[in-house]
Amino acid sequence: DVKVTQSSRYLVKRTGEKVFLECVQDMDHENMFWYRQDPGLGLRLIYFSYDVKMKEKGDIPEGYSVSREKKERFSLILESASTNQTSMYLCASSRDYNSPLHFGNGTRLTVT
Amino acid sequence: AQSVTQPDIHITVSEGASLELRCNYSYGATPYLFWYVQSPGQGLQLLLKYFSGDTLVQGIKGFEAEFKRSQSSFNLRKPSVHWSDAAEYFCAVGERRRGFKTIFGAGTRLFVKA
Repeated sequence: DVKVTQSSRYLVKRTGEKVFLECVQDMDHENMFWYRQDPGLGLRLIYFSYDVKMKEKGDIPEGYSVSREKKERFSLILESASTNQTSMYLCASSRDYNSPLHFGNGTRLTVT
Repeated sequence: AQSVTQPDIHITVSEGASLELRCNYSYGATPYLFWYVQSPGQGLQLLLKYFSGDTLVQGIKGFEAEFKRSQSSFNLRKPSVHWSDAAEYFCAVGERRRGFKTIFGAGTRLFVKA
């Protein structure tokens, strides 16, 4: 079974802090994704990566950046956390275009 | 740009009754369509997917969905709902491009009453 592991289940950070959310997958998947999930808005794509060091913006990239130095690891970075970035963050991976997404359990981030 | 609309924010169904969750998509080419389920406190799990071929697809847990190109719809159905089906359901559309971007709808929360 594919395992997508997000390093933290819960995080509390202060406004202005730099925040790193880590995601690791163990199935050698090419594609990795970061979504945020908010009530009534569903999942919104922040960034995705289709190869090492390759990244593309999703629908809501503002205030975020990503890093993919190794195939198995995809990091989401909040350069200066703000309260409107309080949310559930979901990482996912997929093998290719006709494969489903495999999700981690999520990181609930609270910015105070 | 592709988009997904799930018109119902929440639905309540009696146990044993049939279920239909609506999904409409906007996409220029032939879409790749998915339904995912998220049970309380759980991650998202794939229920079923449509890429091509038979427009009626079967999934896990007794769910099925029908792709109707003329209506740009991909509605999820189940003939008899169980209490354990209470969850949030997400329709998603994917495009074949670098990285295969997948866009999700806002979700429909299903409540099941005894």
